[in-house]
Amino acid sequence: DTGVSQDPRHKITKRGQNVTFRCDPISEHNRLYWYRQTLGQGPEFLTYFQNEAQLEKSRLLSDRFSAERPKGSFSTLEIQRTEQGDSAMYLCASSLGSLRDTEAFFGQGTRLTVV
Amino acid sequence: GDSVTQMEGPVTLSEEAFLTINCTYTATGYPSLFWYVQYPGEGLQLLLKATKADDKGSNKGFEATYRKETTSFHLEKGSVQVSDSAVYFCALIPDTGRRALTFGSGTRLQVQP
Repeated sequence: DTGVSQDPRHKITKRGQNVTFRCDPISEHNRLYWYRQTLGQGPEFLTYFQNEAQLEKSRLLSDRFSAERPKGSFSTLEIQRTEQGDSAMYLCASSLGSLRDTEAFFGQGTRLTVV
Repeated sequence: GDSVTQMEGPVTLSEEAFLTINCTYTATGYPSLFWYVQYPGEGLQLLLKATKADDKGSNKGFEATYRKETTSFHLEKGSVQVSDSAVYFCALIPDTGRRALTFGSGTRLQVQP
């Protein structure tokens, strides 16, 4: 296994368009996290899955954002009607169990630019 | 809510210098504390962690001690190398509630030969 992979690595879209990102976690990992990171800032939590269940969503996750993890494997993050403020790096991480006991492994991220 | 505050960077040091990056947190109870590192072109990776007060996390010559009384988790290294140049993030997970990491804003370290 090569770790957490994210696709695409870069996405440029026009304002108002919809975009979808994919995250493939490490295969046996049951927990999956999405974060957003803007330049010069730390990652901000967006949402978290345990298996296929979305257990928590941040207030940052407006109605234009939706995430899924069908069958508890890969996950998708969709942004509808993109705005320039959505430009950021979107990070995915996975873990096997609680982060108090184990480690989160991060992908390299998808960089979104909204023009 | 829970939060993490880190010293602003960039921190620029000469090789073999002593490193300290300050981190303080706000959280109720006893959070677990972490340092993650992001090398150029790579994803975030765990550097070290501590899960209870007075614990010391260590890895690759880096150390940090969980200080409940000062709500701090400062990162130290006795002798930095050029290869340590990266962005360092302090983070926490509370002992109740959110089960995901809350990160600080990051501190960029530049080590010059």
